[in-house]
Amino acid sequence: DAGITQSPRHKVTETGTPVTLRCHQTENHRYMYWYRQDPGHGLRLIHYSYGVKDTDKGEVSDGYSVSRSKTEDFLLTLESATSSQTSVYFCAISESEGALGYTFGSGTRLTVV
Amino acid sequence: GQQVMQIPQYQHVQEGEDFTTYCNSSTTLSNIQWYKQRPGGHPVFLIQLVKSGEVKKQKRLTFQFGEAKKNSSLHITATQTTDVGTYFCAGSIQGAQKLVFGQGTRLTINP
Repeated sequence: DAGITQSPRHKVTETGTPVTLRCHQTENHRYMYWYRQDPGHGLRLIHYSYGVKDTDKGEVSDGYSVSRSKTEDFLLTLESATSSQTSVYFCAISESEGALGYTFGSGTRLTVV
Repeated sequence: GQQVMQIPQYQHVQEGEDFTTYCNSSTTLSNIQWYKQRPGGHPVFLIQLVKSGEVKKQKRLTFQFGEAKKNSSLHITATQTTDVGTYFCAGSIQGAQKLVFGQGTRLTINP
């Protein structure tokens, strides 16, 4: 969807290396979210942000950290990648709590070898 | 924690047949949303239901929210090949700033 981009789209990295995924929005939405998608698990929330420098953990936050220094950017960092973090990562934005739907980015396919 | 269960996990139908996916929550929801994800794509918002017992229609798609606001369903009448994809429900509880997604139902269609 227009207004939200994720980078990179694909990445292969080695176990133990740090990895940062970027989510950029041009909608000036307050809320931003990072999800991972794995077969049989649907979409699971990793971390979310409700404003600049305001973040909180989701249900699968272990091994991940986030930062939001600007409204438009939400970074997800894997401090030391593991094979269990091989997944498709989606960023999403919403204008407000309970707003009419999240807008998702196109996703980042991360493979940890 | 809050859980949203969705069944079935997979559904294969002949084109023209109907399709239904069900969503159940362990807690009362303030609203429920439905998303569609095409193969290789990202989830796209379809609709939000807020009121107890609410029913909404979008062409061949009918969405329902249960009276207790703990369950929901999506029904597609006379499926078409363009309906292929994974359908997710997602619920939020009062005061929460995040959605909890069901596992999704993957729909495949035999033309």
